[in-house]
Amino acid sequence: SQQGEEDPQALSIQEGENATMNCSYKTSINNLQWYRQNSGRGLVHLILIRSNEREKHSGRLRVTLDTSKKSSSLLITASRAADTASYFCATDNQDSWGKLQFGAGTQVVVTP
Amino acid sequence: SAVISQKPSRDICQRGTSLTIQCQVDSQVTMMFWYRQQPGQSLTLIATANQGSEATYESGFVIDKFPISRPNLTFSTLTVSNMSPEDSSIYLCSGRDGAYEQYFGPGTRLTVT
Repeated sequence: SQQGEEDPQALSIQEGENATMNCSYKTSINNLQWYRQNSGRGLVHLILIRSNEREKHSGRLRVTLDTSKKSSSLLITASRAADTASYFCATDNQDSWGKLQFGAGTQVVVTP
Repeated sequence: SAVISQKPSRDICQRGTSLTIQCQVDSQVTMMFWYRQQPGQSLTLIATANQGSEATYESGFVIDKFPISRPNLTFSTLTVSNMSPEDSSIYLCSGRDGAYEQYFGPGTRLTVT
């Protein structure tokens, strides 16, 4: 079963704009991971944030984690057409031994 | 980071037949998993592939339908048995390294007619 929800379900922006998507979850976690999927292909690992971390950066990506609210956000700055993809958050829960539970995903379209 | 490959990348199969999907990791990983992604949906965990022992299945998935092997730390197979059109999905394997990051293969797109 899915751990939580992502919003928005879909996001359409122009190149150069920032894209923000949110992920909420229900149980205590060890870490939260964000992935990108292009057109039904495999998942590309973007970033992992641990439960004791509040913010993490990787290139144009910024991830925040608020364990008190059980939520995370992914910000993509200065978006490019190549960022068009579906983005998923996945939680590694404290009682799940490495099994990931995925959100429903956010479909991002970046137009030139 | 681990690099994961899967074979086949896609297949079209007839109802009632079986397909075995192979997953190869380029380095030893602590854990391997199999996921299913139905059309337009998110990923659902099928099972944890345990080295040298029976896989651990999630609710709704059974060994008779999805037998899994993991003979060593870098290789696993998933068989989809007695297929029906409802099994049409993308099947993905993943490997988890010591830093808890989980990497995915490119997926196997299965269509059952």
